[in-house]
Amino acid sequence: DQQVKQNSPSLSVQEGRISILNCDYTNSMFDYFLWYKKYPAEGPTFLISISSIKDKNEDGRFTVFLNKSAKHLSLHIVPSQPGDSAVYFCAASDGGGADGLTFGKGTHLIIQP
Amino acid sequence: DTGVSQNPRHKITKRGQNVTFRCDPISEHNRLYWYRQTLGQGPEFLTYFQNEAQLEKSRLLSDRFSAERPKGSFSTLEIQRTEQGDSAMYLCASSLGSGTHYFGPGTRLTVT
Repeated sequence: DQQVKQNSPSLSVQEGRISILNCDYTNSMFDYFLWYKKYPAEGPTFLISISSIKDKNEDGRFTVFLNKSAKHLSLHIVPSQPGDSAVYFCAASDGGGADGLTFGKGTHLIIQP
Repeated sequence: DTGVSQNPRHKITKRGQNVTFRCDPISEHNRLYWYRQTLGQGPEFLTYFQNEAQLEKSRLLSDRFSAERPKGSFSTLEIQRTEQGDSAMYLCASSLGSGTHYFGPGTRLTVT
């Protein structure tokens, strides 16, 4: 039973345009959400997080939106750059991040020149 | 500031052998986590420590898996009697209390 779902295995976006990566969750106890970026043969790199008391968090080109009623979050990258090509993982925690994270399967983002 | 480090980066072993991986967290971080990642999947949480106390170990995959953090600094993950299904990337992460987990580069295990 997957508690965090990323239903798009891959996404192709033109350089300079907006990339939108989606994530759904089923556990209503989750209260902290994170996005990670991963290149092959490297560990995940933290991008941005959001607490369940907020509905938006922004950091430079990255914005995360949280819709608690729909149990849905999304990551927006504007503008998309070639270096953004990677696998993006959505993760969630029910302990404010203190306990282990539950990850989705990831979305492979490809930025086309 | 050095990040999380893991050694070795790659390990090839024969089925039935024991292996041990080491993780050195970010120095001021009191929490340390172990995850496993297989092909096409996201990282899967295994266990974590707060200082030297192991607070969660029910997610360890079998009794062949064990982890220690004897002095609250570095940690080791041991797999006894390895099986081919243990082949995966083993990731370590650390955090300062609650909040963001910072990951190391991982140890790639191949069991032949």
